[in-house]
Amino acid sequence: ETGVTQTPRHLVMGMTNKKSLKCEQHLGHNAMYWYKQSAKKPLELMFVYNFKEQTENNSVPSRFSPECPNSSHLFLHLHTLQPEDSALYLCASSQEQGAADTQYFGPGTRLTVL
Amino acid sequence: GESVGLHLPTLSVQEGDNSIINCAYSNSASDYFIWYKQESGKGPQFIIDIRSNMDKRQGQRVTVLLNKTVKHLSLQIAATQPGDSAVYFCAEMNNGGSQGNLIFGKGTKLSVKP
Repeated sequence: ETGVTQTPRHLVMGMTNKKSLKCEQHLGHNAMYWYKQSAKKPLELMFVYNFKEQTENNSVPSRFSPECPNSSHLFLHLHTLQPEDSALYLCASSQEQGAADTQYFGPGTRLTVL
Repeated sequence: GESVGLHLPTLSVQEGDNSIINCAYSNSASDYFIWYKQESGKGPQFIIDIRSNMDKRQGQRVTVLLNKTVKHLSLQIAATQPGDSAVYFCAEMNNGGSQGNLIFGKGTKLSVKP
């Protein structure tokens, strides 16, 4: 266990559904990240929060909406997704963004959009 | 198990042999590097890191070598075991860059034959 948990582990949703992914870290870190992992592609950074402030939105479509209520929790709200959004969504945390510091990953949520 | 990437470079080794996984990084200004291991159905797991002021770092059964001249990173695994079977990928960070985010490679799939 890395100290980063994600729920749910698997999610199947229709294109008109609204769902949320949850991430929690128990490491006392101040930076949290959302990544998308698709087949044939390297890990893609989506969002970064540093001390609860969003510092990075890597040109992510608005149908993905992040929320960071505190340094330990991170959500990704999903709305009217497309089939090409099917992927493994990974959450990570580190001591703080920008520091030469290890990011620790959760197990991911396997998302399938029908 | 889940596929984390198709058409990845694959390295097949015999149990007990040493493995060498290579990574070419893109940014000559990158000054921090990490190797991750990702097993099927799991998130990436930190293995070892190295900063640019070093050219070698050793961990338990693993060694990372950094050649800044040719922008090359390698991961050596001694006495490879079946549990080492996974996808391995490197990540680079420009700590002095605008955001200091990790940039991930596509990965290499290591297959260990018993």
